[in-house]
Amino acid sequence: DTAVSQTPKYLVTQMGNDKSIKCEQNLGHDTMYWYKQDSKKFLKIMFSYNNKELIINETVPNRFSPKSPDKAHLNLHINSLELGDSAVYFCASRDTRADEQYFGPGTRLTVT
Amino acid sequence: AQSVTQLGSHVSVSEGALVLLRCNYSSSVPPYLFWYVQYPNQGLQLLLKYTTGATLVKGINGFEAEFKKSETSFHLTKPSAHMSDAAEYFCAVNGRGNNRLAFGKGNQVVVIP
Repeated sequence: DTAVSQTPKYLVTQMGNDKSIKCEQNLGHDTMYWYKQDSKKFLKIMFSYNNKELIINETVPNRFSPKSPDKAHLNLHINSLELGDSAVYFCASRDTRADEQYFGPGTRLTVT
Repeated sequence: AQSVTQLGSHVSVSEGALVLLRCNYSSSVPPYLFWYVQYPNQGLQLLLKYTTGATLVKGINGFEAEFKKSETSFHLTKPSAHMSDAAEYFCAVNGRGNNRLAFGKGNQVVVIP
């Protein structure tokens, strides 16, 4: 049983396109995140939702728009893709009581 | 605000030798500290964490870490490296009551046969 799943695993697209990445967790957690991992493996938080409400919004271009239809899902839509958006995007959910985050397998986005 | 420093992006260790990865943190509130491991083309997996209580914490795969408040450190060790330990290791800090993890830049561990 996959705890945090993401689709797609790989995404190759051209500059200027719009794409979405989906994330689902079956752990019953209230809090979910999007992280970006760059080519040097540096991980940076982008967004966090708690029970469908946006609670963290880092300095991310407004081309990136997260959406949480319910607390088990957190999607990321990216408009007008740029070369610099190429990265691995990780979704995570947080067990508030244990203060542990569980990560999805990642989506490798390549913009050409 | 919280931050973590991991020195030495690449760490080479011989199979059977000690693995030591250093992590120093900065936090304005009592910290929660974590080590995560990332195997190639996979997500991050929690190795161990420190929240309160015993300062020496044991994790999965034979790893352990010691919280030293006086040194603001949380170094990760494993007595004997195995080939399967080759991976990227991240230290992270979360201030108590804070919703966000701040990650270090990671250590790429290479195990030499």
